Amino acid sequence: GQNIDQPTEMTATEGAIVQINCTYQTSGFNGLFWYQQHAGEAPTFLSYNVLDGLEEKGRFSSFLSRSKGYSYLLLKELQMKDSASYLCAVSGRPSGGSYIPTFGRGTSLIVHP
Amino acid sequence: DSGVTQTPKHLITATGQRVTLRCSPRSGDLSVYWYQQSLDQGLQFLIQYYNGEERAKGNILERFSAQQFPDLHSELNLSSLELGDSALYFCASSSSGVMNTEAFFGQGTRLTVV
Repeated sequence: GQNIDQPTEMTATEGAIVQINCTYQTSGFNGLFWYQQHAGEAPTFLSYNVLDGLEEKGRFSSFLSRSKGYSYLLLKELQMKDSASYLCAVSGRPSGGSYIPTFGRGTSLIVHP
Repeated sequence: DSGVTQTPKHLITATGQRVTLRCSPRSGDLSVYWYQQSLDQGLQFLIQYYNGEERAKGNILERFSAQQFPDLHSELNLSSLELGDSALYFCASSSSGVMNTEAFFGQGTRLTVV
């Protein structure tokens, strides 16, 4: 099957930088996604990586190493509104059939003033 | 606003009953994904439809079924409901059939089984 691990909770200070790690196992890797989800709301897309390296988008960056089954999401200049759950998701073919998405349980980020 | 519409927003029903959740994807998107999110399980993929055909199946119970209609809206049917089916059900849509692009989530239907 597909397996994703990410820390349950992290805390950081407003204005700081935080890195949220994600490790995964899958077959037929077809990309890794990061989503942000505020409590009681829908997940919103942050990034998609399918090749190794760093993708930068404003204050958020995402890194992927396919050989290590590893990704991280880097959040810079943290703001209070960044307090949310960050979901790592992988698209793969665990049974050799169709591509299916698997989400991690999410990392709850708490930003303190 | 993601452009994905889910109805109803809230649903309370009794054990053993059957309910239907509805999803209208973003204009132009051919893929619809259904997810279940509960506190202890996280976001679980149930099933995907692409242009009216079932494309991928995840951890969907036999009591659950879905379909996508010619106008691309989708319905998720949940039957013989149990207390453990209480959860937030999300629909997401995307333009691609193989999950290699951004997916847009609806606001979800909160189902409570009593």
